[in-house]
Amino acid sequence: DIQMTQSPSSVSASVGNRVTITCRASQGISNWLAWYQQKPGKAPKLLIYAASSLQNGVPSRFSGSGSGTDFTLTISSLQPEDIATYYCQQANTFPLTFGGGTKVEIK
Amino acid sequence: EVQLLESGGGLVQPGGSLRLSCAASGFTFSDYAISWVRQAPGKGLEWVSGIAGTAIRTYYADSVKGRFTFSRDNSKNTLNLQMSSLRSDDTAIYYCARVAVFQGFWYFDYWGQGTVVTVSS
Repeated sequence: DIQMTQSPSSVSASVGNRVTITCRASQGISNWLAWYQQKPGKAPKLLIYAASSLQNGVPSRFSGSGSGTDFTLTISSLQPEDIATYYCQQANTFPLTFGGGTKVEIK
Repeated sequence: EVQLLESGGGLVQPGGSLRLSCAASGFTFSDYAISWVRQAPGKGLEWVSGIAGTAIRTYYADSVKGRFTFSRDNSKNTLNLQMSSLRSDDTAIYYCARVAVFQGFWYFDYWGQGTVVTVSS
């Protein structure tokens, strides 16, 4: 199985600051990676697919990059409504696997 | 509006069985694969199983293979996850998620609100 490792496990930043989350795959997955946002008590929401394609309706302050084994989710200007846990997911191979999550908080 | 509504969760003893259902609406049901994703209390997301739109192919995580069976009825827009030989580590919120296939690869673009399964004596 492909293991997905996210870092950091949590990050605290001020409103308006840039936040970067990293996801590393245990083997190459080309650009077959998605990012999800999960707010407390809610179902996850798809933000980005194919590593860098923004899902319809997602604010442009969210962006994704990377290929192969190393990927990044960036929030260019953190907003209070972005407080959530973020997960990466590899779509390259079954079984599909998720990273362990990164909790984003406001400083 | 795309909607996915899970049901069937509850408390079950170890070794027992439970059947989860997912009712879908707002899209052409048979055109889409669907997956189950679970989340243990305070933990991350774990993909459990997926089924193609035509139901020809199903996929399972190793942790549930041989114990869970995923099926769908395209005439009723419903899906069922039959779970047997349940263990305490199956305790989780179970989400039904629609699969967006992009160039043959699976992502989850719509999710239900989840149903809670608790395995305990």
